[in-house]
Amino acid sequence: GAVVSQHPSRVICKSGTSVKIECRSLDFQATTMFWYRQFPKQSLMLMATSNEGSKATYEQGVEKDKFLINHASLTLSTLTVTSAHPEDSSFYICSARPGTGSWGNIQYFGAGTRLSVL
Amino acid sequence: GQQVMQIPQYQHVQEGEDFTTYCNSSTTLSNIQWYKQRPGGHPVFLIQLVKSGEVKKQKRLTFQFGEAKKNSSLHITATQTTDVGTYFCAGPTNAGGTSYGKLTFGQGTILTVHP
Repeated sequence: GAVVSQHPSRVICKSGTSVKIECRSLDFQATTMFWYRQFPKQSLMLMATSNEGSKATYEQGVEKDKFLINHASLTLSTLTVTSAHPEDSSFYICSARPGTGSWGNIQYFGAGTRLSVL
Repeated sequence: GQQVMQIPQYQHVQEGEDFTTYCNSSTTLSNIQWYKQRPGGHPVFLIQLVKSGEVKKQKRLTFQFGEAKKNSSLHITATQTTDVGTYFCAGPTNAGGTSYGKLTFGQGTILTVHP
């Protein structure tokens, strides 16, 4: 159980285009979903916290107009990187938290999306 | 702000040797979680510790939560090549308000096992 699906796994796009990444909890309802960015050999950098039906909460320094997050349902959150530029190239990972039960605080991660902007 | 420090950053061992990574929080934690990320993969939940002084084992892995609930360790006995990866500890983010279950991750320890 506790499977999180993230698509696409890899995206190569031209500078100036927008890219949408989907994150789905397949076998549980996620109270909260999180979006992280990870640079090689570094830790996870939280970008934003997403709750179903409400606006995402962005971490300091993360541009909300650049990284649009929509949490349409208890099983789906999307991250759209708008007008992507080469500096946005990175590994983006989502996670989902059940929020209830003894494992409610555990975060289950998607497989990640490697974005390359040319 | 809250910090979760993890050492060492890198650890290279020969297969069969033991390995330990240490995690220290600047604040008291209600729980601590450990995750493993294989090279090229994503973090996978290993365990959650909740009680002061708690010790849990998973086969060759032993996890400890300090008495003060500010530090933790992960010890692997007789490492195998399958243990290769980055090990992260994480504690609930102390945001002073509603944190929605955010976690503050340590920097991670990258473990390399030489056969």
